[in-house]
Amino acid sequence: DAGVIQSPRHEVTEMGQEVTLRCKPISGHNSLFWYRQTMMRGLELLIYFNNNVPIDDSGMPEDRFSAKMPNASFSTLKIQPSEPRDSAVYFCASTSGNTLSPLHFGNGTRLTVT
Amino acid sequence: GQQVMQIPQYQHVQEGEDFTTYCNSSTTLSNIQWYKQRPGGHPVFLIQLVKSGEVKKQKRLTFQFGEAKKNSSLHITATQTTDVGTYFCAVSWSSSNTGKLIFGQGTTLQVKP
Repeated sequence: DAGVIQSPRHEVTEMGQEVTLRCKPISGHNSLFWYRQTMMRGLELLIYFNNNVPIDDSGMPEDRFSAKMPNASFSTLKIQPSEPRDSAVYFCASTSGNTLSPLHFGNGTRLTVT
Repeated sequence: GQQVMQIPQYQHVQEGEDFTTYCNSSTTLSNIQWYKQRPGGHPVFLIQLVKSGEVKKQKRLTFQFGEAKKNSSLHITATQTTDVGTYFCAVSWSSSNTGKLIFGQGTTLQVKP
């Protein structure tokens, strides 16, 4: 079991640039979550998908953020244009889609926007 | 909106002392999960509580779910340096089959050897 795979591990970019974060969930898991972690705000749920369909995107901070899940094995989180306040660790997690199932987190992408 | 409060935010203990973190909700929870995140790592699932008044143990860790299903605690007996990290509760208010979990702010535990 390879676990949840995120790429890149680190991303440094300049303000105004487009950033794309990638996630491959565990095979067989049908729910995928994007979380953002900062010292100030902790772990925030941005968006989650169930069976590739976005269920709740109320945590997406603003229109600069978008997420897609074109198939069961791949999801992207895009920030365009990026701003320094977007600097954070972005985690992807997957589960079997039941609130009784634990979340399996990837190693995260540490984003720095200068 | 529905929120979950976790206290304390930080705790420094001497190795061998006990540690407790609390998670509180203003409304009844469907279930609660606990996670541990080591410095520089990602959250790792520890346990899940579903039933009112439920108590579960994992070696030196004891997890409790309140009778009203509005609060929970994680207690570590005789802390060790390997217990260092941030402990999060993650809650669901709905029993619907969507898997949405909201995380508390976390309690960061430091253990002095």
